[in-house]
Amino acid sequence: KAGVTQTPRYLIKTRGQQVTLSCSPISGHRSVSWYQQTPGQGLQFLFEYFSETQRNKGNFPGRFSGRQFSNSRSEMNVSTLELGDSALYLCASSKNTGELFFGEGSRLTVL
Amino acid sequence: GEDVEQSLFLSVREGDSSVINCTYTDSSSTYLYWYKQEPGAGLQLLTYIFSNMDMKQDQRLTVLLNKKDKHLSLRIADTQTGDSAIYFCAESEYGNKLVFGAGTILRVKS
Repeated sequence: KAGVTQTPRYLIKTRGQQVTLSCSPISGHRSVSWYQQTPGQGLQFLFEYFSETQRNKGNFPGRFSGRQFSNSRSEMNVSTLELGDSALYLCASSKNTGELFFGEGSRLTVL
Repeated sequence: GEDVEQSLFLSVREGDSSVINCTYTDSSSTYLYWYKQEPGAGLQLLTYIFSNMDMKQDQRLTVLLNKKDKHLSLRIADTQTGDSAIYFCAESEYGNKLVFGAGTILRVKS
């Protein structure tokens, strides 16, 4: 059974640009959530989507947004990139709640 | 807000048991999790426990939950060098909104 797939795995952007990250959940999973991992702040929750609706939202500025498609695939977008947005962005999928499986992450470097 | 605390470092000898401890503040947590992260990788789900359980065992892993003290522990029996990694404790607030601890670095000496 395929796991959670995130693309791209690595990317480099410059300040002011925007970026879109993609996540394909495990087949049959309807919940996709996103996390940011940095050395300074650790793992922080961004948002969660369940059946195309945002179910939860963390404390990040409006530059961070996401959406979920009818096939449960999800994308997150960060606009007007700042140096501090450099991080590992992790996607996780679940049927609903409980077992939560993470992907390998997308490592974003902002120069 | 909710907080999860873990000790930062644990060193054990190969073959010994490892115990990683975690405390949390949210008494309404539904699930509590243990994840493992190796260098350059994502998070691997090791085990999770529903908040109305006291203990869960899965092969070499034993999770103990003390709800009164809001204390969670992960015991790894017969620790191997491949167990060297960072271990994260997490609690779920609502849905799949997890609050993570800072992680415990486990070093296994051969």
